[in-house]
Amino acid sequence: DGGITQSPKYLFRKEGQNVTLSCEQNLNHDAMYWYRQDPGQGLRLIYYSQIVNDFQKGDIAEGYSVSREKKESFPLTVTSAQKNPTAFYLCASTEDVSGANVLTFGAGSRLTVL
Amino acid sequence: GIQVEQSPPDLILQEGANSTLRCNFSDSVNNLQWFHQNPWGQLINLFYIPSGTKQNGRLSATTVATERYSLLYISSSQTTDSGVYFCAVEPRDSSYKLIFGSGTRLLVRP
Repeated sequence: DGGITQSPKYLFRKEGQNVTLSCEQNLNHDAMYWYRQDPGQGLRLIYYSQIVNDFQKGDIAEGYSVSREKKESFPLTVTSAQKNPTAFYLCASTEDVSGANVLTFGAGSRLTVL
Repeated sequence: GIQVEQSPPDLILQEGANSTLRCNFSDSVNNLQWFHQNPWGQLINLFYIPSGTKQNGRLSATTVATERYSLLYISSSQTTDSGVYFCAVEPRDSSYKLIFGSGTRLLVRP
């Protein structure tokens, strides 16, 4: 089955540590995204990538970094510079449907900083 | 940037009732999508609907692009419809960048 796999599902981190969240897709989609969701809130865009070896900052990129070395993979690193990293992180990819970008999401990774 | 507002923020229904959720956006868009987030956090794409009307079972959606709003109709609601409904828009000047509303939290009681 095609889809987006995020890991780990739950992650606990001590303050000052960097963590990397994995996102892998086998949908052959070109574009991939990382969103952050805080309790009771909508989704905010962290980074997105339209093609391999290229990515752009979203609305809340500070304290995060990404790479896109392969079409299938778009890992997100939450660095110690991110002041409030506890959140639900969602990875997505898009297929071009009649000129529009239709989003498909992974199941998410829940990060808690202790 | 474009503003996306959803209403109502919270909604409680008795099983079997109908409901209408609204999404207003402040500027022209290329694309509008509706999503359902279940209690475990998984987001499912319900509709891609930049204009017009679509139906899928008990759900239907209408977007009036010229008036900058979209409606999601849920008929004969079921407890499994509970969760959060989001609309997301792709601004005309920001391809690939979808902006989400803050969602409508729906609880369907048996």
